[in-house]
Amino acid sequence: QVQLQESGPGLVKPSQTLSLTCKVSGGSISSGGYYWSWIRQHPGKGLEWIGYIYYSGSTNYNPSLKSRVAISVDTSKNQFSLTLTSVTAADTAVYYCARDGDYRWELAYWGQGTLVTVSS
Amino acid sequence: DIQMTQSPSSLSASVGDRVTITCRAGQSIDSYLNWYQQKPGRAPKLLIYAASSLQSGAPSRFSGSGSGTDFTLTISSLQPEDFVTYYCQQTYSTPFTFGPGTKVDIK
Repeated sequence: QVQLQESGPGLVKPSQTLSLTCKVSGGSISSGGYYWSWIRQHPGKGLEWIGYIYYSGSTNYNPSLKSRVAISVDTSKNQFSLTLTSVTAADTAVYYCARDGDYRWELAYWGQGTLVTVSS
Repeated sequence: DIQMTQSPSSLSASVGDRVTITCRAGQSIDSYLNWYQQKPGRAPKLLIYAASSLQSGAPSRFSGSGSGTDFTLTISSLQPEDFVTYYCQQTYSTPFTFGPGTKVDIK
């Protein structure tokens, strides 16, 4: 059973960079065949897809964040990461990492989520 | 971006009721529509993928239907643990987008 666990600072100052890591267990990113995603949820709001990465490093980002976001993968550590630059209070959210299933990018496995607050 | 809408935004029902939630896409998305259940303080959980396929481990009281632009999630007999929020999501094209959610609460 694949398990994902987010980690990173819970507090980031405005204009700085948000960096989160998702550690994967129970399955290898490098075995291929799956896409590894980041999704966020603003407090009390709905879900926003941030982007995904394939084990090869190929990425796809939400255009609403594209100029500020980067997703990278470290197959040696079996983890992938999210970087979001120039953050503002509007980036305060619970950030989830997830893996798709066997059909077409449905998000079958999720981390528990981590709250990131942007505040000075 | 493909806009997703859900109706109703909230509904009140009783244990044992049959409930239907509707999701509409701004353009045809074939059957690339997923449904998630989210309990407070928890990550969403995949219930239905490809519009009508039940995810492994999801209870059989959940079912999905539809194609093109109009989709439904049906709960055949509400259980106490089902009084939470449901989201639809399209994975027809990026950026993948979610509906705003439907909150099911106890009447």
